[in-house]
Amino acid sequence: DAKTTQPPSMDCAEGRAANLPCNHSTISGNEYVYWYRQIHSQGPQYIIHGLKNNETNEMASLIITEDRKSSTLILPHATLRDTAVYYCIVRVAYSGNTPLVFGKGTRLSVIA
Amino acid sequence: DTGVSQDPRHKITKRGQNVTFRCDPISEHNRLYWYRQTLGQGPEFLTYFQNEAQLEKSRLLSDRFSAERPKGSFSTLEIQRTEQGDSAMYLCASSKTGTGSHYGYTFGSGTRLTVV
Repeated sequence: DAKTTQPPSMDCAEGRAANLPCNHSTISGNEYVYWYRQIHSQGPQYIIHGLKNNETNEMASLIITEDRKSSTLILPHATLRDTAVYYCIVRVAYSGNTPLVFGKGTRLSVIA
Repeated sequence: DTGVSQDPRHKITKRGQNVTFRCDPISEHNRLYWYRQTLGQGPEFLTYFQNEAQLEKSRLLSDRFSAERPKGSFSTLEIQRTEQGDSAMYLCASSKTGTGSHYGYTFGSGTRLTVV
């Protein structure tokens, strides 16, 4: 079973920052937080991952709380193309023996 | 490389028929995964391969489901005696193991199966 909790849906105005929360209170010390998104009729797409430090790439930023029990994915300037289901997943990253386990995610609607 | 390819994109079949889906992973990726996704749910893991070895298959939904990756490249997922409950999107993903890899997955666009 998925070990994360996410709100089922969120809205965001186009051009504003979208902040997607995720709770993972039972995360283990060797588990990373991954984010994927799934645009309608496509397969999930990797966004970002992190262990305990904040991370940023060309798509998004990931903020992980100091106790690692929750995190926030930030899309700094949301566009209509960011409308998708966003999945927060915890797993051991560098062993690869545990497959990704998806929950229901958060459906983000970016509104013009 | 054009990413992970799945064929066909859509399949409509009559109940009781067998269907086979194909997945071509990214060429340098040695791991290949199959997932199923029903409406409103996240993808559900089914099975995965490292090269030609099937490392996990206990999550296959029933003995009607089987997967192969005979030469460690493309893979097929077969469903025998399809049932209406098999209607879903079947997703394939691949990843690379080894030093420096974070095992992020690249997914294909899926095969949508409709059983009538």
